[in-house]
Amino acid sequence: GAGVSQSPSNKVTEKGKDVELRCDPISGHTALYWYRQSLGQGLEFLIYFQGNSAPDKSGLPSDRFSAERTGGSVSTLTIQRTQQEDSAVYLCASSPLVTSGEETQYFGPGTRLLVL
Amino acid sequence: GQSLEQPSEVTAVEGAIVQINCTYQTSGFYGLSWYQQHDGGAPTFLSYNGLDGLEETGRFSSFLSRSDSYGYLLLQELQMKDSASYFCAVDDYKLSFGAGTTVTVRA
Repeated sequence: GAGVSQSPSNKVTEKGKDVELRCDPISGHTALYWYRQSLGQGLEFLIYFQGNSAPDKSGLPSDRFSAERTGGSVSTLTIQRTQQEDSAVYLCASSPLVTSGEETQYFGPGTRLLVL
Repeated sequence: GQSLEQPSEVTAVEGAIVQINCTYQTSGFYGLSWYQQHDGGAPTFLSYNGLDGLEETGRFSSFLSRSDSYGYLLLQELQMKDSASYFCAVDDYKLSFGAGTTVTVRA
């Protein structure tokens, strides 16, 4: 179907509040990734889901960050007690299947998070 | 972990050829990918090298040398719409991105 969608597109919050970011991957894609991109920087890997396997959380910067993926489809990234340094664009990507690493990742438009 | 280096910016005129080099140090490696990102947009896939050598896709080509931990993206016949950031990324099921090269194309 359509490409990867993310919501909200923009989020402004106050320091200390919790936020939830949502990602709808391309239908049928088994792999889902979250990345973070600070202004003028490259993308930083956060977490990876593949099918029913345990997620790879090795990129999460602190225990304030968590993510889940329900029913192998939609994913939610939660940031608790937000800090100003959490301000960034959060990008979600999906790919059909992870085998040899050749699978192209398809990115959503991102959620621009600003923590005041 | 992964470490990638690429130039921060390149400027060229329309019709010119630009080469963006990428060197990497990695603990896991399937291949090297290249993504393009326009201002405010999502990264989009350009090219992938899983084996040594040159991959050509229209005006864009990408090269990989595993023994040298080195690759490059070649942009030919530059057009104004090619003004964007270009990222190399080591692919070991997740992507580890370089900081990106901003390409500015001038008339």
